[in-house]
Amino acid sequence: GDSVTQMEGPVTLSEEAFLTINCTYTATGYPSLFWYVQYPGEGLQLLLKATKADDKGSNKGFEATYRKETTSFHLEKGSVQVSDSAVYFCALPNQAGTALIFGKGTTLSVSS
Amino acid sequence: DTAVSQTPKYLVTQMGNDKSIKCEQNLGHDTMYWYKQDSKKFLKIMFSYNNKELIINETVPNRFSPKSPDKAHLNLHINSLELGDSAVYFCASSQDRGDTEAFFGQGTRLTVV
Repeated sequence: GDSVTQMEGPVTLSEEAFLTINCTYTATGYPSLFWYVQYPGEGLQLLLKATKADDKGSNKGFEATYRKETTSFHLEKGSVQVSDSAVYFCALPNQAGTALIFGKGTTLSVSS
Repeated sequence: DTAVSQTPKYLVTQMGNDKSIKCEQNLGHDTMYWYKQDSKKFLKIMFSYNNKELIINETVPNRFSPKSPDKAHLNLHINSLELGDSAVYFCASSQDRGDTEAFFGQGTRLTVV
């Protein structure tokens, strides 16, 4: 079935460092792909999305490109801030398109 | 106005009790969900309703029963609570089907003692 694999965390970085969080997926066809972020004590919120191959989603300095050749949707940011400390989830719809399947989440901790 | 609101935010209760979590969305969405997040942050779909009709009922004990009185509300009732039910429960909604952006509530942290 469809699935999402994220790199294990936690990821610990200094402020202004470059961030990559890897995400690969297994799916039938070419579903939309999402990155969600969960700040401490809060619910998930959409960070960015891409709806077709080669699309690049971007928001708040984060970006991810939908790569069908490598079935990947890696999240990147050129210069992280302390306020980016959160848990990041890669997600895609299930095969029936009735709910989202989430990766296990990657905890990012940024120190000043 | 909060788009997806759920109450309570924290719930501590004893084993064997029955409890409910309420969820309301003011986005006019057709689809609502309950997700469970375990202690390792892993999120899994429990239920999905579209226009008050049950769409998904994952492998969840039948002690868990969702109720959707109208398409803006999806409540979760849990009977005979067990220690293993301790988790954070998130309500969410989306415009249409599950392949579109979902909006999440702040979560209900349930602790069974």
